[in-house]
Amino acid sequence: GENVEQHPSTLSVQEGDSAVIKCTYSDSASNYFPWYKQELGKGPQLIIDIRSNVGEKKDQRIAVTLNKTAKHFSLHITETQPEDSAVYFCAASEGGYQKVTFGIGTKLQVIP
Amino acid sequence: SAVISQKPSRDICQRGTSLTIQCQVDSQVTMMFWYRQQPGQSLTLIATANQGSEATYESGFVIDKFPISRPNLTFSTLTVSNMSPEDSSIYLCSVSGTGSGYTFGSGTRLTVV
Repeated sequence: GENVEQHPSTLSVQEGDSAVIKCTYSDSASNYFPWYKQELGKGPQLIIDIRSNVGEKKDQRIAVTLNKTAKHFSLHITETQPEDSAVYFCAASEGGYQKVTFGIGTKLQVIP
Repeated sequence: SAVISQKPSRDICQRGTSLTIQCQVDSQVTMMFWYRQQPGQSLTLIATANQGSEATYESGFVIDKFPISRPNLTFSTLTVSNMSPEDSSIYLCSVSGTGSGYTFGSGTRLTVV
């Protein structure tokens, strides 16, 4: 089955700096890669996703890159703000209606 | 994207008892999933809830412990049976097939004492 590795497990950045979270996956059949943000006491919320036919996708301060050959994908948050503080999960799926496999999560702390 | 209502939001239960968690979606969805998130951990898939047939369980999870129902395309229940303190977790319902990836409910925070 799919195995998703995520690092770092914790990340502290100064407000205004950038944050990068990296993931690798094992199953070459995976072609859908969502990123989720989970705030304390809440369920995960989809913030951005990318499919295997795209190398990069950007949404305001958030961008995701995918290297399908190396089986790497990354989340980039620019101009970080205190409200970006949360746990971020990467995930991989074969898409369609298949199950999603999650990384261990990265606890991001943005220091004002 | 779909809106998911999950109940209860939290509960404290005695060991040996059972708790049924409900997941209601505001639109018909193809797939519904149940996840467990142990304190400070990632999300682990328990099972896929199939409409009109038995759920598909992941390795390490069995129907006797986590019976699941899915009577229609908008509703599912997960029961945690014969609970022990090790079952203390957040249980999350998730859906796909709505055109915007996978959506999660807010979760049920279960504490077993």
